[in-house]
Amino acid sequence: AQTVTQSQPEMSVQEAETVTLSCTYDTSESDYYLFWYKQPPSRQMILVIRQEAYKQQNATENRFSVNFQKAAKSFSLKISDSQLGDAAMYFCAYNGGATNKLIFGTGTLLAVQP
Amino acid sequence: GAGVSQSPSNKVTEKGKDVELRCDPISGHTALYWYRQRLGQGLEFLIYFQGNSAPDKSGLPSDRFSAERTGESVSTLTIQRTQQEDSAVYLCASSSQSGAGGFGEQYFGPGTRLTVT
Repeated sequence: AQTVTQSQPEMSVQEAETVTLSCTYDTSESDYYLFWYKQPPSRQMILVIRQEAYKQQNATENRFSVNFQKAAKSFSLKISDSQLGDAAMYFCAYNGGATNKLIFGTGTLLAVQP
Repeated sequence: GAGVSQSPSNKVTEKGKDVELRCDPISGHTALYWYRQRLGQGLEFLIYFQGNSAPDKSGLPSDRFSAERTGESVSTLTIQRTQQEDSAVYLCASSSQSGAGGFGEQYFGPGTRLTVT
């Protein structure tokens, strides 16, 4: 069965600094998708970035980028120039297989210090 | 509406009562998902509907849980004889299944917070 592990329950970063959130996963599939979701206190899940496993190039969305290491099954999120609005719970998620269900990690709570 | 909506936003019920949670997906989205999020944890998949295909119920934790969807519209998640361990946020998501490689981005609703007393 596929699993997703986030080993950092909480992280803190100073405003304007860079922070990296870790995620590892386990799968026997060769083709799959990986995601980072942001969940602020409003509970609304917001897609931050996605990565297709067949693509070697790391995905980038403005201040958000990933370091995708397929052989190591690692998928970390880097947030550059952190802003107060980045404070939230961040979830790493995996999708692979026929049903398209997402498998989530337990989350990392990110605090941004002014 | 522009996004996925869920009702009620919050629900408090007594142990042993039945509850119904509603999800209105984005219009035109063929796929609909239900997830459960316990306090301080990630989301657990419950059930998945895709068009007129048989739903994937592999995530339902017990036979007290059931869900229905009529066509490509509203879905209801029903929990019978609620227990305290059912207390959680129940999130619904929909997708168009038209993304690259066949995976469409899942758009989430705001969730229903269920508290069983």
